[in-house]
Amino acid sequence: AQSVTQLDSQVPVFEEAPVELRCNYSSSVSVYLFWYVQYPNQGLQLLLKYLSGSTLVKGINGFEAEFNKSQTSFHLRKPSVHISDTAEYFCAVSGARNTDKLIFGTGTRLQVFP
Amino acid sequence: DTGVSQDPRHKITKRGQNVTFRCDPISEHNRLYWYRQTLGQGPEFLTYFQNEAQLEKSRLLSDRFSAERPKGSFSTLEIQRTEQGDSAMYLCASSLGTGTEKLFFGSGTQLSVL
Repeated sequence: AQSVTQLDSQVPVFEEAPVELRCNYSSSVSVYLFWYVQYPNQGLQLLLKYLSGSTLVKGINGFEAEFNKSQTSFHLRKPSVHISDTAEYFCAVSGARNTDKLIFGTGTRLQVFP
Repeated sequence: DTGVSQDPRHKITKRGQNVTFRCDPISEHNRLYWYRQTLGQGPEFLTYFQNEAQLEKSRLLSDRFSAERPKGSFSTLEIQRTEQGDSAMYLCASSLGTGTEKLFFGSGTQLSVL
């Protein structure tokens, strides 16, 4: 079974500053990793995913994440945030062979201040 | 591609009543998932369908919960004898193929049990 830990429940940051949202996973098998974003009163939208290959993954809206197998991490980064990035961000994992479902973390609330 | 549609968006009910939610996936998406999200938590897997077959149910899905996807298109989630603990956002997602590589989420149905 897989699990995901998002240590930071809230991350406040000023506009145009860099940000990192942390995600650690646990699994006894190879995994697929995902970041989803949820804006208020909306469903989740896929930001980026790691399936295989390059450990640096680029996604939409200028976000990127790096898969680190030795540290079992998949942290999300953006070099310069905008007010519009204010949202809830969820890290998720599934087994690479058993991709029947996603297991989500508890989420990180990114609050961007002007 | 009109996206995943969920109805209703909001449902308020009294404890003990039955409720039913509907999800219309993206056309031709063969996989359909139900997740539950409570305040401050990430989505929790409930069940999923491959076409009309329900392939897995979470232990979270008590006997009061039932889901159907009769013709492999739309799905319904019914909760019988609702309890206050059932108050949550119920999310539906769909995907094409047999994996979790890209899930498309609906905006959810917010259930409040009084």
